[in-house]
Parts: sequence; structure tokens; C-alpha cells
Amino acid sequence: QVQLVESGGGVVQPGRSLRLSCAASGFTFSNYGMHWVRQAPGKGLEWVAIISYDGIDKDYADSVKGRFTVSRDNSKKMLYLQMSGLRAEDSAVYYCVKDFSHWGQGTLVTVSS
Amino acid sequence: KFMLTQPHSVSESPGKTVTISCTRSSGSIASNSVHWYQQRPGSVPAAVIYEDDQRPSGVPGRFSGSIDTSSNSASLTISDLKTEDEADYYCQSHYGTNWVFGGGTWLTVL
Repeated sequence: QVQLVESGGGVVQPGRSLRLSCAASGFTFSNYGMHWVRQAPGKGLEWVAIISYDGIDKDYADSVKGRFTVSRDNSKKMLYLQMSGLRAEDSAVYYCVKDFSHWGQGTLVTVSS
Repeated sequence: KFMLTQPHSVSESPGKTVTISCTRSSGSIASNSVHWYQQRPGSVPAAVIYEDDQRPSGVPGRFSGSIDTSSNSASLTISDLKTEDEADYYCQSHYGTNWVFGGGTWLTVL
């Protein structure tokens, strides 16, 4: 069955960087575009980024454009989100998502001094 | 781009029926499919409706979805409400490959 396991979350100071990872299994990873979605504490869901199946096409929410970079390694079945210039408002649970029916458990990022 | 607007909260009694709306700000609601997610506190969102009106396997028939082009909105209807239906509900659509979420609706069943 499809499994998506995020890692890399933690507490980071404002302005610093953090890289999230998502390990995929149970499907042909290289055939699917992948998304990152986040949810700030007590808030709603916010789409963050998408990367195409081959890693060529990427797009981002305006709130993270220029600061976050999505990438993938199809040989390792891994999805990444490189976050830089972190702000307090980036604090959230970050989910790796294949499609509407397949979400990871999420990893918590807290940006605080 | 467009926005999806949902009521912040709704409440209804067990056994009753409730409908949650999701209104698209621009462009036709019929242009792109709408999914609905249920999120209980502390849990990962789970789809209860996909592609406007389809129910994933395992989701009770009490959950149904529809779209209305006259109001440019999608709706999630839950009938025969149960206390375990109390949760946040989010609609989601897309433009191109980018996703858009509604702000979420908290359903109270009391």
C-alpha cells in the first residue's frame, strides 16, 4: 500500500533553513507528481508546492515562492522541501501528498527564537 | 487563481442532515473537480468525497457531494449525523496542477 513518511521537522530560528524529506513506497514514485501541504497550529490547510513526476516542473504558493524549493530523487523514491529564510508564520505541520487519498502523517516545523 | 469560501462552523443534532457549502470566487465551479476532506483533531485529512460526488471506498453512504453552477458552489451533505462526524471539513479544487483549499468548516454534532 502507499506509504509516505515525512521527516526533518524540528525547531529552527527565524531566518534559518531546514530541509524536509518524504520517503515514498508502495507505488511507482517516478510516475506521479507530488505535493507539499501545510497546516499551521489551529489553522486550515494550505497548499505549498508541487513537483512534476520527472522533477522538471515546479510551482509554489505565493507565500513561499523564492524561499522554498521542492525537489525529488526518483532513484531513492524521495521528495524534499528545502526551506530557507524561515519565518514564524511558516510554523506548521508539513504533509507530503500524492493525491487526494494519500497523505503522509506530517512533520512539525516550529520557527521560533 | 480563485478562492474557495466555506462557513466557519455549522452545527446540527444527531440523526439530522447538514450541508456544508464551498463557493468558488471566480471561474466556474464545474471547471475543476472538487474534493472534500474530513479532519478530526490530531488526525491527517481523509477524503470523504472526490471528483465532486464520488465516495471513496469505506466512506459511508451518508456522505454525498454535489456542485451547483447557479451558485458556483460545491456542497458536502452528511445525513443521519453521528457524533463521530464532528470534525473539520475542507473543500479542495485546483487550477492547473496547483491546489486550492477552502478555509475549513467545523461541524458540531450535539
